[in-house]
Amino acid sequence: DGGITQSPKYLFRKEGQNVTLSCEQNLNHDAMYWYRQDPGQGLRLIYYSQIVNDFQKGDIAEGYSVSREKKESFPLTVTSAQKNPTAFYLCASSIYLQSGAFFGQGTRLTVV
Amino acid sequence: GQQLNQSPQSMFIQEGEDVSMNCTSSSIFNTWLWYKQDPGEGPVLLIALYKAGELTSNGRLTAQFGITRKDSFLNISASIPSDVGIYFCAGRGDAGNMLTFGGGTRLMVKP
Repeated sequence: DGGITQSPKYLFRKEGQNVTLSCEQNLNHDAMYWYRQDPGQGLRLIYYSQIVNDFQKGDIAEGYSVSREKKESFPLTVTSAQKNPTAFYLCASSIYLQSGAFFGQGTRLTVV
Repeated sequence: GQQLNQSPQSMFIQEGEDVSMNCTSSSIFNTWLWYKQDPGEGPVLLIALYKAGELTSNGRLTAQFGITRKDSFLNISASIPSDVGIYFCAGRGDAGNMLTFGGGTRLMVKP
């Protein structure tokens, strides 16, 4: 079945460590996105990518990095520079930048 | 930046009742999307609207793209317990390509 897969579902990280969240889609979508959601809050855009080897900062990119080496994959690295990394992270994709986005199941990151 | 105000923030209703929620923007949007998010899951796209005045249904859900292009409405008829969740509106304006999300409406349904 086509869809977006995020892994892992739950992730624990020690302070000072970098961690990478996986996002894979087999929908043949050009655009991919990473959002952060805090409890009781809406979604905030971290990074987005329109095509392979291209990505742009969103509203809250500081402390995060991404890569887009393949159309299907858009991993997000939460670096030690991110001061409040504990959150629910959502990956999404769309056919192109202007179309509706479809979301993965999310990764809940907890810093311990 | 673009602002999206979604209301109400939460609703607690009786099963069988109809539900209405809305989003308003400080600027003109050319796309409105409505999502539902269950606890611990990613949002699921319910309805997409691309033209002012457009009225689109998906089962018991009906959404409208306001003619001013600054608002959108979502109605749920005859609510059932599985309608429980958080409903998000999202819009995309002329000035940019990124979606702006509302703060969400938390719907609770009493059987």
